Amino acid sequence: QVQLQESGPGLVKPSETLSLTCSVSGASIRGYFYWAWIRQSPGKGLEWIGSISHDGSTFHNPSLKSRLTISLDTSNNQFSLGLTSVTAADTAVYFCARDRLTNGWYNLDLWGQGTLVTVSS
Amino acid sequence: DILMTQSPSSLSPSVGDRVTITCRASETISSYLNWYQQKPGKAPKLLIYAASSLQSGVPSRFSGSGSGTDFTLTISGLQPEDFATYYCQQSFSSPWTFGQGTKVQIK
Repeated sequence: QVQLQESGPGLVKPSETLSLTCSVSGASIRGYFYWAWIRQSPGKGLEWIGSISHDGSTFHNPSLKSRLTISLDTSNNQFSLGLTSVTAADTAVYFCARDRLTNGWYNLDLWGQGTLVTVSS
Repeated sequence: DILMTQSPSSLSPSVGDRVTITCRASETISSYLNWYQQKPGKAPKLLIYAASSLQSGVPSRFSGSGSGTDFTLTISGLQPEDFATYYCQQSFSSPWTFGQGTKVQIK
């Protein structure tokens, strides 16, 4: 079955760059899906960060767009998140997910377990 | 951004009860509405997509309805494993946005 797993540092210093990777097993990221990042913090609930398609097209949340990079690594069947100039407000559990298109409707049908990232000096 | 508002924020039903959670969008979203269940320390799990389509493997006691701006998630005959937080999410226009959640807790 398809599984997603986030990895990356659990602690990032303010003003530095947060970098996370999502490893996908059981399916090729070159399949006809989008791949998404979502975060969850106590103060803001669930927040969609952005998605990337199998061909590398990206959709970003405008609230983060200037600091955000989402990319594909097809050779390793992974996709990645980069968020620059982080502050304490970026502290959250970060999830990767499959953004599936079903008969014209998008839905986040598979999720990784999530990884806590804390921004602190 | 489309604002999604859920009600109630929490409820405390008993096992076997029929539970209804509502979600309202700040503008029309047709049927581009998904429902998720999240348990503590776990990722959200897709229950319903396209407002009323049951995700594979999800028990039939879960159902969704609505279109436009007003949507409902119904649990017919609450089971012990259904105590969790439920979120709606719109996929009509980017950025996707979520409701603030409804916590279903044991009475």
